[in-house]
Amino acid sequence: EAQVTQNPRYLITVTGKKLTVTCSQNMNHEYMSWYRQDPGLGLRQIYYSMNVEVTDKGDVPEGYKVSRKEKRNFPLILESPSPNQTSLYFCASRAIGGYSNQPQHFGDGTRLSIL
Amino acid sequence: GQNIDQPTEMTATEGAIVQINCTYQTSGFNGLFWYQQHAGEAPTFLSYNVLDGLEEKGRFSSFLSRSKGYSYLLLKELQMKDSASYLCAVRDTTGFQKLVFGTGTRLLVSP
Repeated sequence: EAQVTQNPRYLITVTGKKLTVTCSQNMNHEYMSWYRQDPGLGLRQIYYSMNVEVTDKGDVPEGYKVSRKEKRNFPLILESPSPNQTSLYFCASRAIGGYSNQPQHFGDGTRLSIL
Repeated sequence: GQNIDQPTEMTATEGAIVQINCTYQTSGFNGLFWYQQHAGEAPTFLSYNVLDGLEEKGRFSSFLSRSKGYSYLLLKELQMKDSASYLCAVRDTTGFQKLVFGTGTRLLVSP
């Protein structure tokens, strides 16, 4: 089954304790992206990657890092989490070849609470 | 700049028709997507428009006017399960064609 898998689904942690949210897709997609979703603000892009070892900042990259060492994985790293990073996070992927109508496929989300 | 506007909330009755509007102003345009998102779940793809006109898919249709920067999603024969948020997203031509999302329209369908 084609899917994007995020882990963990829920996490409560404390300020300053490094954490990683993993994302893996099994569709051989080149493009992967991380979003955060906050009430009244919609989905905002944090980072994206066009392929292995190619990443770039989205609209709200401060406080986050990513890596793309393998095509299927795109982890999101919070080196020193702060309460303003409490949010619902989504990983997404899509193919970039062919037509531009390729939709993004989203993971089930990770709800992070930083105390 | 980039700006996508949708109504925050709408209500409708089971069996009715509802139209959710979206207006956009983006630095580039390479298609418009509609996604459905149930509370706490992942967005799921509904429709895509890149040319002007109406695209129909079962009970759902989506319309685009590029000259007006306007789209709508039409939901017919509403069902209770259609209660969800509906996200309008424009594929930009910058940032390797990133998706710019509106804040979403929460639709409540009542019996």
